Amino acid sequence: DQQVKQNSPSLSVQEGRISILNCDYTNSMFDYFLWYKKYPAEGPTFLISISSIKDKNEDGRFTVFLNKSAKHLSLHIVPSQPGDSAVYFCAASETGANSKLTFGKGITLSVRP
Amino acid sequence: DGGITQSPKYLFRKEGQNVTLSCEQNLNHDAMYWYRQDPGQGLRLIYYSQIVNDFQKGDIAEGYSVSREKKESFPLTVTSAQKNPTAFYLCASSIARGDSPLHFGNGTRLTVT
Repeated sequence: DQQVKQNSPSLSVQEGRISILNCDYTNSMFDYFLWYKKYPAEGPTFLISISSIKDKNEDGRFTVFLNKSAKHLSLHIVPSQPGDSAVYFCAASETGANSKLTFGKGITLSVRP
Repeated sequence: DGGITQSPKYLFRKEGQNVTLSCEQNLNHDAMYWYRQDPGQGLRLIYYSQIVNDFQKGDIAEGYSVSREKKESFPLTVTSAQKNPTAFYLCASSIARGDSPLHFGNGTRLTVT
């Protein structure tokens, strides 16, 4: 049973436009959420996180929104750049339980010049 | 420059042989993790260690073994009991605090034929 779902396997956007990557979760105990970015043949790098006490967290071009009632979060990238082309993983855990970090399958983002 | 080093980047083995993947970190992190990534799949936790000389099984520990004799090192052995060992293996580390992000190495791609 997948507890973190990234239902769209891929997304293509024009450079300069907004990229919206979605993630749904089923475990109501999750209260800490992260996004990671991964290039081929490299390890994931941490992008941004949000705890359940917030509904928005912003870092430069990246903003994560959390809708707890819908068990849904999204990553917005504005403006999108070709260097943003990568696989994006959503991950979730219960606070204090890094060992239980659960990842989604990832979304491949392609930003067209 | 602090980071996580995984070696080698590519590894080839014959079926029936045990193989050990190296992971070293100089970030002074207490916790270390091993994940496996398969095509189109999220990252799945194999083993984790929150302190030297202690480690716990993750979601898919069967056919794997680990040791944590030093804070900096967390080698993973893929044994002949692992049914599908060909995969991309990622090592990660974090500070002990539960809401800290994981830092990943660049992975080892293991191919068993």
